[in-house]
Amino acid sequence: EPEVTQTPSHQVTQMGQEVILRCVPISNHLYFYWYRQILGQKVEFLVSFYNNEISEKSEIFDDQFSVERPDGSNFTLKIRSTKLEDSAMYFCASNEGPIYGYTFGSGTRLTVV
Amino acid sequence: GQQLNQSPQSMFIQEGEDVSMNCTSSSIFNTWLWYKQDPGEGPVLLIALYKAGELTSNGRLTAQFGITRKDSFLNISASIPSDVGIYFCAGRNDYKLSFGAGTTVTVRA
Repeated sequence: EPEVTQTPSHQVTQMGQEVILRCVPISNHLYFYWYRQILGQKVEFLVSFYNNEISEKSEIFDDQFSVERPDGSNFTLKIRSTKLEDSAMYFCASNEGPIYGYTFGSGTRLTVV
Repeated sequence: GQQLNQSPQSMFIQEGEDVSMNCTSSSIFNTWLWYKQDPGEGPVLLIALYKAGELTSNGRLTAQFGITRKDSFLNISASIPSDVGIYFCAGRNDYKLSFGAGTTVTVRA
């Protein structure tokens, strides 16, 4: 079964540092997403990406966040200057089109200290 | 964002029992999805519903897309120990999913 792969599985970073979370979506999927889940809370939408541009973003996705598809396989989320409240599980997801079910990766646990 | 109310928040069930959980929203959704999340893992899609009134099964799971497009339920029949986990409903409009807060299911053997 095709998978969405995320690396690293766990990242610890100091407040104010930049982090890049990496994802390899399923190869024939065209739509890519980032979601986050603060410990014990529900999954929250951050951003959707299609055709090399952001198609929708939430109010959480402010100027500190950016996404990029640097090559034909990777999809990255960058947080420019991390804050303590950025500590969460970050999930990448992809699908063939927005009406289809999403496949999520196993997540990156980001801990900001 | 759009608010989804998922209930119950948690449940303890006996192995072999049927389980039911539901989600309601004040907003209309074009798609309802049900996911299961195990500890330390990402959500795994269980069932996707695309049309109002649709009733869909996946093994022991059955879900329905409410006729008003504002609600959905998930039933698990004859629960087994591996049904333990957190179940999330999610509604989709445009490019994003809005998730419910989850129902934590614990099965007593």
